[in-house]
Amino acid sequence: QQQVKQSPQSLIVQKGGISIINCAYENTAFDYFPWYQQFPGKGPALLIAIRPDVSEKKEGRFTISFNKSAKQFSLHIMDSQPGDSATYFCAASDYGQNFVFGPGTRLSVLP
Amino acid sequence: DAGVIQSPRHEVTEMGQEVTLRCKPISGHDYLFWYRQTMMRGLELLIYFNNNVPIDDSGMPEDRFSAKMPNASFSTLKIQPSEPRDSAVYFCASSPLTGGRGYTFGSGTRLTVV
Repeated sequence: QQQVKQSPQSLIVQKGGISIINCAYENTAFDYFPWYQQFPGKGPALLIAIRPDVSEKKEGRFTISFNKSAKQFSLHIMDSQPGDSATYFCAASDYGQNFVFGPGTRLSVLP
Repeated sequence: DAGVIQSPRHEVTEMGQEVTLRCKPISGHDYLFWYRQTMMRGLELLIYFNNNVPIDDSGMPEDRFSAKMPNASFSTLKIQPSEPRDSAVYFCASSPLTGGRGYTFGSGTRLTVV
């Protein structure tokens, strides 16, 4: 119940295309859903986050879509660029001790 | 702020040796976390502190692992004795809040045990 499932494991997209990464959770107590971006040799960095009281949040080319009833959320990267090539982690937490990461998606954007 | 600072960036050691990883959190962050990242297991939480006190160490894999936070600006993760299966990237993160809010990760220490 504490797991967050993430797919796909890897993704290859052409420059200018849309990258979509999906996550699903079971614990209905989760109320915070961040996405982290990790470049090689670096630690994960917060990219964008959403709370379950909204269905969508957009920051620049990055959008989180949230479906509370389905317990699913996704990251959309519009106009994907080679510089977006990284590993993306979804995560979920309640306001207490529980904070879990998904297994990660390795995104490659081809020039 | 310089962010979360970890040292060393890379560590290569022989099996059986003691390894100490170091972390300086962001000033004012009350929570400090140690994670381990491997291809097989992803990001695993090892232990976290609140106001220098260890709160949850259930992720520490074995008694060979220990962590301390003697003050608000310094923490160590020690492995003694080290084994090849401990090879991984170890991250320290700090946060002003619980529940994953405001996490800032360091750049990690890549540990190789040969």
